[in-house]
Amino acid sequence: DQQVKQNSPSLSVQEGRISILNCDYTNSMFDYFLWYKKYPAEGPTFLISISSIKDKNEDGRFTVFLNKSAKHLSLHIVPSQPGDSAVYFCAAIGFGNEKLTFGTGTRLTIIP
Amino acid sequence: KAGVTQTPRYLIKTRGQQVTLSCSPISGHRSVSWYQQTPGQGLQFLFEYFSETQRNKGNFPGRFSGRQFSNSRSEMNVSTLELGDSALYLCASSSTGTGRAFFGQGTRLTVV
Repeated sequence: DQQVKQNSPSLSVQEGRISILNCDYTNSMFDYFLWYKKYPAEGPTFLISISSIKDKNEDGRFTVFLNKSAKHLSLHIVPSQPGDSAVYFCAAIGFGNEKLTFGTGTRLTIIP
Repeated sequence: KAGVTQTPRYLIKTRGQQVTLSCSPISGHRSVSWYQQTPGQGLQFLFEYFSETQRNKGNFPGRFSGRQFSNSRSEMNVSTLELGDSALYLCASSSTGTGRAFFGQGTRLTVV
């Protein structure tokens, strides 16, 4: 069963605009939610995370929003830059363990 | 600090053979996890080791096994290789319990 879902396999955004990546989950026991960025032939790189007790976390151009009632989170990137072009994975972990459950990823392309 | 190191980077094996992959975590990190990435299934959790003990296991057959040594270095082994085992195998180390993991570049395994 797919406990973490990213329903958009790809997204194209013009440089300078806002990129919004979405993620849904089904397991209400998840403790932390994270976004990872991945370039081809490299391992994923941690981007930003949010605890299940918060609804927003911001780090520079990146903001993650969590809506627990809807079991939905989103990543906002503003302004979008060409270097942001990559595959973005949403992930979640439960309390007390390091097992990451990943979504299937969204390929973000920033158009110059 | 050196990052997570995986060896080898590329491997070609024949069906029925076995393979061992190696991972050296970031110094001080006691948790090491393994993931399989395939185009169809995305990033799937294999297992996690903490202080030489398997703490979590994903839904993979018993042909997939691993171990962790006292210096936190980890190996995973796949026996009786099948064509479907062709994938990118990623190792991640962490220390915080918040899911913020550091990934290696992966081992690309091709089974022919």
